[in-house]
Amino acid sequence: ETGVTQTPRHLVMGMTNKKSLKCEQHLGHNAMYWYKQSAKKPLELMFVYNFKEQTENNSVPSRFSPECPNSSHLFLHLHTLQPEDSALYLCASSQGLAGNPDTQYFGPGTRLTVL
Amino acid sequence: EDQVTQSPEALRLQEGESSSLNCSYTVSGLRGLFWYRQDPGKGPEFLFTLYSAGEEKEKERLKATLTKKESFLHITAPKPEDSATYLCAVRAGNTGKLIFGQGTTLQVKP
Repeated sequence: ETGVTQTPRHLVMGMTNKKSLKCEQHLGHNAMYWYKQSAKKPLELMFVYNFKEQTENNSVPSRFSPECPNSSHLFLHLHTLQPEDSALYLCASSQGLAGNPDTQYFGPGTRLTVL
Repeated sequence: EDQVTQSPEALRLQEGESSSLNCSYTVSGLRGLFWYRQDPGKGPEFLFTLYSAGEEKEKERLKATLTKKESFLHITAPKPEDSATYLCAVRAGNTGKLIFGQGTTLQVKP
């Protein structure tokens, strides 16, 4: 595996389900990110982790719960989602926030549909 | 407020017809401007990072330039495989947060 991988690629869930998205980076990076991409809207940052510590929570509802057990893995736990949460969820990684300009590299995304 | 605006929203070109995409930004303390290409249903693919006004980067038919207020992505003699959405983003401060524009969807017809 190379770059940033995400699983599953597609997910359909009901509003009462609990599911998790997984991201793994094979680039030796220290920072990881979750983004949400809805139709006709710009990419929206959700969370930032730097050396496993959360450094940014962009006012994300508590039904989205991130977890970063180490610098290579990032999870997004989902529970009691709403239909408006349907979107493409993208994971990214970068060398580390102290770097300049610290380019972010993205995974292929998980297409989430909430029924 | 930090902001990124891309224009046009959509662009249709004939194969070989050169053009430019614009990214205007307002940010305090720019720490990098990034161009990405995104194909439908896929994650953004990194193209360029620009950091200083006057900087230019090239890759095949693409050339990115940066001023203090905007960046241009010039496409020379495009081919149908250049069809995609091109995203511009800026990084401000030390948080790692990227602020994205809405993107320009480019269609190149043979």
